Amino acid sequence: DGGITQSPKYLFRKEGQNVTLSCEQNLNHDAMYWYRQDPGQGLRLIYYSQIVNDFQKGDIAEGYSVSREKKESFPLTVTSAQKNPTAFYLCASSIRGRAGETQYFGPGTRLLVL
Amino acid sequence: GNSVTQMEGPVTLSEEAFLTINCTYTATGYPSLFWYVQYPGEGLQLLLKATKADDKGSNKGFEATYRKETTSFHLEKGSVQVSDSAVYFCALDTTSGTYKYIFGTGTRLKVLA
Repeated sequence: DGGITQSPKYLFRKEGQNVTLSCEQNLNHDAMYWYRQDPGQGLRLIYYSQIVNDFQKGDIAEGYSVSREKKESFPLTVTSAQKNPTAFYLCASSIRGRAGETQYFGPGTRLLVL
Repeated sequence: GNSVTQMEGPVTLSEEAFLTINCTYTATGYPSLFWYVQYPGEGLQLLLKATKADDKGSNKGFEATYRKETTSFHLEKGSVQVSDSAVYFCALDTTSGTYKYIFGTGTRLKVLA
């Protein structure tokens, strides 16, 4: 079955630590996205990538970094500069990143601070 | 700028009741409109979408019509089930500059047996 996988399901971060969230897709999609979801709020875009080796900042990129070395993979690193990282993180993909396309979401990773 | 406004929840209904979740938007150009559903602890799943004015999206008994004159995309279902309990998100996509979705804050639906 094609889809998007995210790991781990739960992740704990200590003060001053960087952590990396995994996102893999086998849909052969060009575009991939990272969103942050906080309770009672909609999703906010962190980073997106429309092609391998290229990515752009979204609305709340500060304290986060990404890479896109392979089409299938778009890992997100939450750095120590992100002062309020506790949230539910969702990865998504779409065919080309163009108007009208459906975005397909992974199951999410919940990040908690110890 | 672009924005999506959804009715605040939670919405609590009895099984077989009629459901309406309101969604209005502000956008430049002609965005596509989407409804996504999120079950507890999971990611979002596309429920339905409409890509131009007067289009009706439908799926699993849910419907929504793209109304450009009222800038609305209200979600309806004639008879809800307990299994429909979830959070519903309205979203639009941007048609200029960076391609992305703009999401509403979500409406939690609870259906009682």
